[in-house]
Amino acid sequence: GAVVSQHPSWVICKSGTSVKIECRSLDFQATTMFWYRQFPKQSLMLMATSNEGSKATYEQGVEKDKFLINHASLTLSTLTVTSAHPEDSSFYICSATVLARYTDTQYFGPGTRLTVL
Amino acid sequence: SQKIEQNSEALNIQEGKTATLTCNYTNYSPAYLQWYRQDPGRGPVFLLLIRENEKEKRKERLKVTFDTTLKQSLFHITASQPADSATYLCALDSRSGGGADGLTFGKGTHLIIQP
Repeated sequence: GAVVSQHPSWVICKSGTSVKIECRSLDFQATTMFWYRQFPKQSLMLMATSNEGSKATYEQGVEKDKFLINHASLTLSTLTVTSAHPEDSSFYICSATVLARYTDTQYFGPGTRLTVL
Repeated sequence: SQKIEQNSEALNIQEGKTATLTCNYTNYSPAYLQWYRQDPGRGPVFLLLIRENEKEKRKERLKVTFDTTLKQSLFHITASQPADSATYLCALDSRSGGGADGLTFGKGTHLIIQP
């Protein structure tokens, strides 16, 4: 149980185009979904927190107009990188959580490798 | 500012020995601390969670300790195997009650178990 999928697993795009990444919780309903970014040999950095039906909360330094997040249902969140540039090339990972009484475990997707040419 | 340090970028351990990884943090009051495993090109996989009022937690060959006075967690893998080779990440959540917060991760320790 508690499987999170991401699609696509990798994508290569030209500079200036937009790319959409999907994150799905396959066998549970996710109260909250998170989007992280990981550059080579670096730690995962939280980009934004997304609750179903409400606007995402972005971390400091993350441009909300560039990284559009839509959390339309309890099983799907999407991240759209708009007007992508080479510096946006990274490994994007989502996670989903179900808020339990005291602790909540995050279940991570397999990640999406974005390469912007 | 909040900071998490995993004090070894890489750790080489002989098969069968116990591997011990360290996670130190500053300027945090975490409700709990988590350890994840990450393989190359993959998302993190949850291993263990330890709460602020717990000192030790075990799961099969894994053991985690949590010292909120020292602001340190130790992660042990006993009877290590080559298949345990991966990057291990320490993560903190400073949730004070209600809601869910994103995690802050350390850079990880790349563990290599040599046959």
